Amino acid sequence: QMTQSPSSLSAFVGDRVTITCRASRYIKINLNWYQHKPGKAPKLLIAAASGLQSGVPSRFTGNGSGTDFTLTISSLQPEDFATYYCQQSYGHPTTFGQGTKVQIK
Amino acid sequence: QVQLEQSGAEVKKPGASVRVSCKASGYTFTGYYIHWVRQAPGQGLEWMGFINPNSSLTYFAQRFQGRVTLTRDTSISTAYMDVITLRSDDTAFYYCARGDCTGGNCLKLDNWGQGSLITVSS
Repeated sequence: QMTQSPSSLSAFVGDRVTITCRASRYIKINLNWYQHKPGKAPKLLIAAASGLQSGVPSRFTGNGSGTDFTLTISSLQPEDFATYYCQQSYGHPTTFGQGTKVQIK
Repeated sequence: QVQLEQSGAEVKKPGASVRVSCKASGYTFTGYYIHWVRQAPGQGLEWMGFINPNSSLTYFAQRFQGRVTLTRDTSISTAYMDVITLRSDDTAFYYCARGDCTGGNCLKLDNWGQGSLITVSS
């Protein structure tokens, strides 16, 4: 089971934002982060806890190992307002966190 | 470039069945898993299952076992998801996603289809 916090947050453009994901058991670094905007396909941002995917801006950073992980956006941009999900890829069945909705303040 | 093109929206009555297709292009279809993920209105992402197009091996989340079938046609690089005995709470966007097997377990969902809205209503 994956637990994200907060479930939603409001922030200004330019703010630093951190989302936390906690696994109910040890998953090494087998943790991926996705961004999902309404009406669009989810997008893989970070794999294996900290591996930034090609084309993803460097303001996105992933950290953590074991059971505790974070996704940080260093300077929030207008296009970053979306829902973010973590996913454990340690084993089957894979599971997603419940999501964190990032809204404009 | 990698693309996953899904079939269109459908409206079904409770108790009916639905098939969603996912046509892959831009890569070797048999080299990556195809996963299915859904999002009900106001809810988060829910993983349903995967198929290995190379072997037809499938694996499901427990709650979908017996009601969901995954198949593929390698000749046209297309995966299919069949859901039977539809209920109103099956109303959702259904996404297919490519599972990259780098690292061994094919659970990195690196490309997604556009989603197919299935509405179940009497």
